[in-house]
Amino acid sequence: DAEITQSPRHKITETGRQVTLACHQTWNHNNMFWYRQDLGHGLRLIHYSYGVHDTNKGEVSDGYSVSRSNTEDLPLTLESAASSQTSVYFCASSDLKVPADGYTFGSGTRLTVV
Amino acid sequence: GQSLEQPSEVTAVEGAIVQINCTYQTSGFYGLSWYQQHDGGAPTFLSYNALDGLEETGRFSSFLSRSDSYGYLLLQELQMKDSASYFCAVDGGATNKLIFGTGTLLAVQP
Repeated sequence: DAEITQSPRHKITETGRQVTLACHQTWNHNNMFWYRQDLGHGLRLIHYSYGVHDTNKGEVSDGYSVSRSNTEDLPLTLESAASSQTSVYFCASSDLKVPADGYTFGSGTRLTVV
Repeated sequence: GQSLEQPSEVTAVEGAIVQINCTYQTSGFYGLSWYQQHDGGAPTFLSYNALDGLEETGRFSSFLSRSDSYGYLLLQELQMKDSASYFCAVDGGATNKLIFGTGTLLAVQP
């Protein structure tokens, strides 16, 4: 069965370290998205991609970067982790540009920056 | 910019009907989506409305009024397993990415 997987599920890192969160999907979806979820803020879009070598900034992109070298993967990198980036991170993918069929979300990565 | 408003919490009893409202302000609009999330798990897609009116899928229905920038999710015959957070989301503008509301926590009581 097709799936979208995130790793690791939990991560503790120190302030200032570079951290990469993995997202891998086998749906063959062109579109991939990274969101962060914090209490009181819902899901906020960090970066997204509509295909290989395409990346775009979302509403809270500062301090984060992504790259898309193939269809299956969209890793999210925190260049220098800050305590404000402690959050739960969700990756999602979709087939169409218009999300009529919905996004498929991964199970999330809980990141703690100490 | 885009913003969405939905109630932070709703409480209802098992077997009842509950409506979760969502109002939005967007610079461009294509459709309104609804997602369910249990206990911080993966959000799951429930419905998408691009046109005015009511869409029904089993016990869940979703409504959209484009002229009022308003929609709602209607849950009928509530079950304990419906206790979850519900998010509305809009897509609009040139990039069609989803922007989510802050979520409504639904508590179903016996």
